[in-house]
Amino acid sequence: GQSLEQPSEVTAVEGAIVQINCTYQTSGFYGLSWYQQHDGGAPTFLSYNGLDGLEETGRFSSFLSRSDSYGYLLLQELQMKDSASYFCAVRDYTGFQKLVFGTGTRLLVSP
Amino acid sequence: DSGVTQTPKHLITATGQRVTLRCSPRSGDLSVYWYQQSLDQGLQFLIQYYNGEERAKGNILERFSAQQFPDLHSELNLSSLELGDSALYFCASSPAPLGAGQETQYFGPGTRLLVL
Repeated sequence: GQSLEQPSEVTAVEGAIVQINCTYQTSGFYGLSWYQQHDGGAPTFLSYNGLDGLEETGRFSSFLSRSDSYGYLLLQELQMKDSASYFCAVRDYTGFQKLVFGTGTRLLVSP
Repeated sequence: DSGVTQTPKHLITATGQRVTLRCSPRSGDLSVYWYQQSLDQGLQFLIQYYNGEERAKGNILERFSAQQFPDLHSELNLSSLELGDSALYFCASSPAPLGAGQETQYFGPGTRLLVL
């Protein structure tokens, strides 16, 4: 089976930097994705790591270490609008390819 | 706006009933995915279709079924509804199956189902 662990909640202030960790256990691993979901909204894709290292997209960066089965999402220069839930997801290859999502981390950004 | 549309936005029904949720993928996307999101279970993958054919199944109950039509829209049918089926149901689409040169899924706004 698969399991992904994320902290349930993280709090930070505007302008700060926050890191959301994700550890995973899967049978077959083909990459780690991150999605953002605002309350009442749909998940939106943020980033994907297929190889070890850091991927940067504006204020957001994502890191993967396949040997440690670990990744993180780094959010810089936090803004109030970044308050949302963040999900890591792994692609699980069991003959077909589908996404398995973590339980999500709720980020609260305060002024 | 992701370009994925879902109808209806809200649905209230009674236990034992049957409902159909509809999804239209982004223009040009051949792959459609269905997810269930409840408070205690997070986002659970249900089923995937690619160009009309079922490609992957997740934790989809036997009471649930889906199909993708020639015009690529998809429907998720939920029958013999139970209180525990109350959840947000999302449809997502992508041009090709995950891993075939792309990794992004585009989610629709979801259908909120309440079973009373």
